[in-house]
Amino acid sequence: GAGVSQSPSNKVTEKGKDVELRCDPISGHTALYWYRQSLGQGLEFLIYFQGNSAPDKSGLPSDRFSAERTGGSVSTLTIQRTQQEDSAVYLCASSLGQGVNNEQFFGPGTRLTVL
Amino acid sequence: AQSVTQPDIHITVSEGASLELRCNYSYGATPYLFWYVQSPGQGLQLLLKYFSGDTLVQGIKGFEAEFKRSQSSFNLRKPSVHWSDAAEYFCAVGGGRGSTLGRLYFGRGTQLTVWP
Repeated sequence: GAGVSQSPSNKVTEKGKDVELRCDPISGHTALYWYRQSLGQGLEFLIYFQGNSAPDKSGLPSDRFSAERTGGSVSTLTIQRTQQEDSAVYLCASSLGQGVNNEQFFGPGTRLTVL
Repeated sequence: AQSVTQPDIHITVSEGASLELRCNYSYGATPYLFWYVQSPGQGLQLLLKYFSGDTLVQGIKGFEAEFKRSQSSFNLRKPSVHWSDAAEYFCAVGGGRGSTLGRLYFGRGTQLTVWP
């Protein structure tokens, strides 16, 4: 498909476990974003990758959260020692280039439930 | 600090009625403004955006929005709502002329219910 894909679509885990969420951006898109959507909240920015530049990690809520982007394409968001408050939908988006003037295309999200 | 306020958590309208969803923002620079729609089980889809120029912008699905700098608002409107418009709507702000920042700041969303 031509859109942003994310896997898994749903993930249920136990408190304290580590999880990895994957994002495949649209081919050719150099910018990639992770957002979190908690119940009743808007989308919260987590991290932003642009090409080979250092990522903007200013939205990561704690050091349990990390993300990497390999080969300028696929990205993995890792949450270590998950807590119940980490339960949310994690959305990935990609865009052609840097700056919000480039439309961000969103994936369907990964729904994470921490028991 | 940058922020977006959508004062209406939930709005219900009858099919065929007009719609206005409110959005107010706080942003340091002249912002770029966006409205996204999220249907159940779907990712976010861009409805429209404002960067500069004409303050009334047209988007997809018959939506429009008006940027009012004096009120720091960017309200979304549609003259006649269809049942398929039932979804959650998010206002977002980011960037600004000359900015290279990619992140968007989103409001909490407005859930729209459409009665037949």
